[in-house]
Amino acid sequence: EAGVTQFPSHSVIEKGQTVTLRCDPISGHDNLYWYRRVMGKEIKFLLHFVKESKQDESGMPNNRFLAERTGGTYSTLKVQPAELEDSGVYFCASSHGRGSYGYTFGSGTRLTVV
Amino acid sequence: GEDVEQSLFLSVREGDSSVINCTYTDSSSTYLYWYKQEPGAGLQLLTYIFSNMDMKQDQRLTVLLNKKDKHLSLRIADTQTGDSAIYFCAETLYSGAGSYQLTFGKGTKLSVIP
Repeated sequence: EAGVTQFPSHSVIEKGQTVTLRCDPISGHDNLYWYRRVMGKEIKFLLHFVKESKQDESGMPNNRFLAERTGGTYSTLKVQPAELEDSGVYFCASSHGRGSYGYTFGSGTRLTVV
Repeated sequence: GEDVEQSLFLSVREGDSSVINCTYTDSSSTYLYWYKQEPGAGLQLLTYIFSNMDMKQDQRLTVLLNKKDKHLSLRIADTQTGDSAIYFCAETLYSGAGSYQLTFGKGTKLSVIP
C-alpha cells in the first residue's frame, strides 16, 4: 500500500509569492488532515477533510491559507501571499476512520519564506 | 492550558535505556501516542496507549501512563544509534466539530552516543 505522498518536499519562495502544497492520501482514506510545525514550536492542527468537505478548519491561521480537496482525493494547501512566519514543515495525514488512531503521516513539505 | 510538555533534548550512550517524559493536558484523551521523526522523514507512529491502561510493552518500548498526574513516558531499552530521532508525545482532543485532533509536544531530540 502506498503511503501518504506530499510534494514538493522542499520549497523556497520569497515573501509575497504564492505556494501550493499537495498531498495524496492513502487510497480509500476519506479523512485527510493538514498539520504544520513552525520552527521550534509544536506541530499544530490546521484542518480536517472528510472526503471533499471541510469537517474542521479551526486551526487555519488566517485567510491567506486555502485548502481544497476536489473530488475527495488529493488535497492542496495554498498560501497566498506567503509571509515569513509561514516558514515551517507542513504535514499531511490520512486515515480511514475519524478518530486519531490510524493516522498515517506523509514526509512533509519544508517551506521556507525569505 | 493547551500545551503538551516534554523536554527538548536527551543524550544517552548506546546500550543504555532512554526515558522520554511528557505531560499532557486533557484527562479525557482516549489515546496517547508517541511518534518518531527521523531526519528528512515524516512522522512515524511508534506506539500508543489507550487511556484505561497503565502500561504497554512492545519489544524494546515501554509506555507508562499516570492518568492522575497526566504523565506519559516512553522507555527505550538497549538504545541503539538508529534510535536517534525526535520523539513527539501527542494526545487526542475532540474539537467539537466532529474532528479528533492530535495535540503534540515540541518533541524530544534523542541523541545516542556510540
